[in-house]
Amino acid sequence: EVKLVESGGGLVQPGRSLKLSCAASGFSFNDYWMGWVRQAPGKGLEWIGEINQDSSTINYTPSLKDKFTISRDNAQNTLYLQMSKLGSEDTAIYYCARVGLGGHYFDYWGQGVMVTVSS
Amino acid sequence: DIQMTQSPASLSASLGETVTIECRASEDIYSNLAWYQQKPGNSPQLLIYDANSLADGVPSRFSGSGSGTQYSLKINSLQSEDVASYFCQQYNNYPPNTFGAGTKLELK
Repeated sequence: EVKLVESGGGLVQPGRSLKLSCAASGFSFNDYWMGWVRQAPGKGLEWIGEINQDSSTINYTPSLKDKFTISRDNAQNTLYLQMSKLGSEDTAIYYCARVGLGGHYFDYWGQGVMVTVSS
Repeated sequence: DIQMTQSPASLSASLGETVTIECRASEDIYSNLAWYQQKPGNSPQLLIYDANSLADGVPSRFSGSGSGTQYSLKINSLQSEDVASYFCQQYNNYPPNTFGAGTKLELK
């Protein structure tokens, strides 16, 4: 069974940094692109970015490229999202997701982790 | 960036009814379109990929169609468990892989 479990969320002060993790199991992690999506409270889905199998290609949505860094550790089956210079606009549920083999849609999603940016 | 215009924003339908949700892309996305269902309090789940391919385990009352810039998701014989928000996503031209704004489906 494919399982994606995010962790590392919580309350963080504006301007600070936070690193999210996503532990993957039930599939061969190093065979798949992986990605992050976020959802502000009561809002729609926002694509953050994706990373390929060997971390040689990482794509970001342009507005977040200077604030967020996606990485992965294939030995630990873990995906990461490093977030810096956080502002209230970054308050959201953050989902990690597996990219489908046939195209860049997301075929499995984690349960999400809440990040609240507030003083 | 490709813009995805999804309609309607909200929809109220009766059990057993057929429901259609639409997405229009700002340019041709060559059927590189997915649909997701998000039930209240849950994460999104893949319903349809490549515009018309049903994801594993998805009931056959869900179907996708379209080409070029116009796509639709149809739900036949609406069930109570279909109450959810639905999102389209294009993945032809990225980054970013843009999502539609969503459609909230409720029971009448």
